[in-house]
Amino acid sequence: EAGVAQSPRYKIIEKRQSVAFWCNPISGHATLYWYQQILGQGPKLLIQFQNNGVVDDSQLPKDRFSAERLKGVDSTLKIQPAKLEDSAVYLCASSLGLGPNEQFFGPGTRLTVL
Amino acid sequence: KQEVTQIPAALSVPEGENLVLNCSFTDSAIYNLQWFRQDPGKGLTSLLLIQSSQREQTSGRLNASLDKSSGRSTLYIAASQPGDSATYLCAVYSGTYKYIFGTGTRLKVLA
Repeated sequence: EAGVAQSPRYKIIEKRQSVAFWCNPISGHATLYWYQQILGQGPKLLIQFQNNGVVDDSQLPKDRFSAERLKGVDSTLKIQPAKLEDSAVYLCASSLGLGPNEQFFGPGTRLTVL
Repeated sequence: KQEVTQIPAALSVPEGENLVLNCSFTDSAIYNLQWFRQDPGKGLTSLLLIQSSQREQTSGRLNASLDKSSGRSTLYIAASQPGDSATYLCAVYSGTYKYIFGTGTRLKVLA
């Protein structure tokens, strides 16, 4: 079974530039999560999708971050414009469905904002 | 509001030692607790998931216990090896359909 795929693995941008990350969850997983992990901290949930609908985006900085999962499979997370404090690893995870199901994580995208 | 704490933040042990990692949470009304391993520059690998009705789960040299009433979980690693060196994270699922993560314990096993 293929795992969660993410790209790119690394990205370096200047502040105020835009960046987009892509995630392909495990086949058949209805729930998809985007997390932000700042160095030395645990992952923080940014947004959670159930199929193509948003379940929770309470911690997403909506003035600069956006995410979509148009067909209920792949998802993209965008930052525009980026700030220095956005430097972090962005992790995508998926699970079978809503609720306390086991989560499976992708390798992450390490973003450096200069 | 659920808060998850992991102590110690970092730990170094000689190879072969048995060790215990701790995870504490403030709200005991959890559905489950998951332990993860994270290697440098990598994503999270699920190690063990304990349902709220369970007391412990085992996988190979790993044993995780859960005491909901006291808000604690421990991850026991037997006969540690250099390959066990990584950051170990716990996450609890409670309330509002999401996992809350601790800050992790960075483990180094010395050969």
